[in-house]
Amino acid sequence: GAVVSQHPSWVICKSGTSVKIECRSLDFQATTMFWYRQFPKQSLMLMATSNEGSKATYEQGVEKDKFLINHASLTLSTLTVTSAHPEDSSFYICSARDGGRLNEQFFGPGTRLTVL
Amino acid sequence: GENVEQHPSTLSVQEGDSAVIKCTYSDSASNYFPWYKQELGKRPQLIIDIRSNVGEKKDQRIAVTLNKTAKHFSLHITETQPEDSAVYFCAANTGNQFYFGTGTSLTVIP
Repeated sequence: GAVVSQHPSWVICKSGTSVKIECRSLDFQATTMFWYRQFPKQSLMLMATSNEGSKATYEQGVEKDKFLINHASLTLSTLTVTSAHPEDSSFYICSARDGGRLNEQFFGPGTRLTVL
Repeated sequence: GENVEQHPSTLSVQEGDSAVIKCTYSDSASNYFPWYKQELGKRPQLIIDIRSNVGEKKDQRIAVTLNKTAKHFSLHITETQPEDSAVYFCAANTGNQFYFGTGTSLTVIP
C-alpha cells in the first residue's frame, strides 16, 4: 500500500515551453501533497505544500507564478513549470501524506526535467 | 522556520562496522523525525522514524535516538553491508511541513 506515482519520469523540453508533472496517490487518499526539487548530490528542497481543494502554500523564494500547483482531487496534484528555462532543469519529486497514517509521507519516483 | 543540520556529509566505513549520522533541528514544535535512504536516481525511501514522545527506536540493524532537550537525533546502522551504501536524509516535521537535512553519502567498503 501507499504507492505514489509520478508522470512523466523524464522530460526534455525547449526553453520557453511549459511542462506539467502529475503526482498520483494510487491506493490512498492524500489530503496533502508536497513538491520538492533536488539538484544533483543535494538535499530535497521543499517548494510547496498543496492541500486538496485549496491554494498551495509556497516556500519562501519559490515563484508561485512560475511553478503552478493544482491539487484538484484527493489523489492527484500537478506541478506546471511555466516558461521553463535551463536553470529550471532539476529532479522534481512529489510526496503524499496519507491522512490515515500519522505524519508519514510517501514519495513518488521523481521527474527529471531537462530544459534545453 | 525549521532548520535541520546533518553531519557528516560523507561517511565511509568497512563492511561490518557501524555508521552513525547526526542531525540537529531548531524548532521545538517539531514532533516527527523520519530518516530516508535514497539511491542514485531513485525516490527517498523511509527506513525508520521516531516521534517526539519516544527516545529510541530500533528495527533490526537500524536504530534512531532522539534527544528533545538538545534538539538532536541520530541514525545508527550496525553490521553495515555494501547494500547500505546510499545517501541518507534526516527530516523534521512541524505541522504540515517537512524539512530535510543536507544528506550523508554513506559508502560501505567490502
